[in-house]
Amino acid sequence: DAGVIQSPRHEVTEMGQEVTLRCKPISGHNSLFWYRQTMMRGLELLIYFNNNVPIDDSGMPEDRFSAKMPNASFSTLKIQPSEPRDSAVYFCASRPATSGGAYEQYFGPGTRLTVT
Amino acid sequence: GNSVTQMEGPVTLSEEAFLTINCTYTATGYPSLFWYVQYPGEGLQLLLKATKADDKGSNKGFEATYRKETTSFHLEKGSVQVSDSAVYFCALAGGGNKLTFGTGTQLKVEL
Repeated sequence: DAGVIQSPRHEVTEMGQEVTLRCKPISGHNSLFWYRQTMMRGLELLIYFNNNVPIDDSGMPEDRFSAKMPNASFSTLKIQPSEPRDSAVYFCASRPATSGGAYEQYFGPGTRLTVT
Repeated sequence: GNSVTQMEGPVTLSEEAFLTINCTYTATGYPSLFWYVQYPGEGLQLLLKATKADDKGSNKGFEATYRKETTSFHLEKGSVQVSDSAVYFCALAGGGNKLTFGTGTQLKVEL
C-alpha cells in the first residue's frame, strides 16, 4: 500500500518567493495534518483537516501560511512570501476514520524547505 | 492541557546493551499512548501503541507498558542494534484528532 506521499522532497527558494508543498494522504483516511519540524522548536502541528474541512489552524504561524484540502486525496500548504525562518522540514500525516480509538497518524517522508 | 515529557538525549549505547527511554505524561481522562521512531532523513513511523492502562505495546523487540498509576510509558529494548539509531518520540492522544508529542530522544548505538 502506498503511504502518505509528499512533494517535492526538497525545495530551495529565495526569500519572498511563493512556496507550495503538496500532500496525498493514504486512501480512505479522513483526517490530514501538517507539521513543521525544526531543531529549535521540535515538531509543531500547523493545521489539521477532518473530512476536507479545516478544524484547527491555531498552529499556523502567521498569515503568510495557508492550507487547503480541495478533496479527500490532496492537500497543499502554501507560504507566500517565504522567509529564511520558514526553513524546516514539513510533514504531512493522515489518520483513518476508525482506528479502535487509538488515533495513530501515518506520516509522509517530509519536504525539506530551505529559504535563502 | 496535555503534555509529554521525555528524557533528554542523546543516549549513546553499545550494541547489545539494554535500552530504556523514559516518558511521562499529563492528561485528563484515559489517553492512548504511542512511540514513534524517526530514522535520519525520514518521516515519523509508528513503533508501538497502547490504548488503556496496563496494556503493553510491542514491536521489533521494543516494548512499553501503559502505567496509569505513574503516568508513564517507558520504552525498553533488551538488546539494541546499530540499526536502532534514530530519534524516538513519545506521544499521546487525549481525545479528538490531535497528538501531543514529546521533544524526542536521540539514540546512538555504537559497535
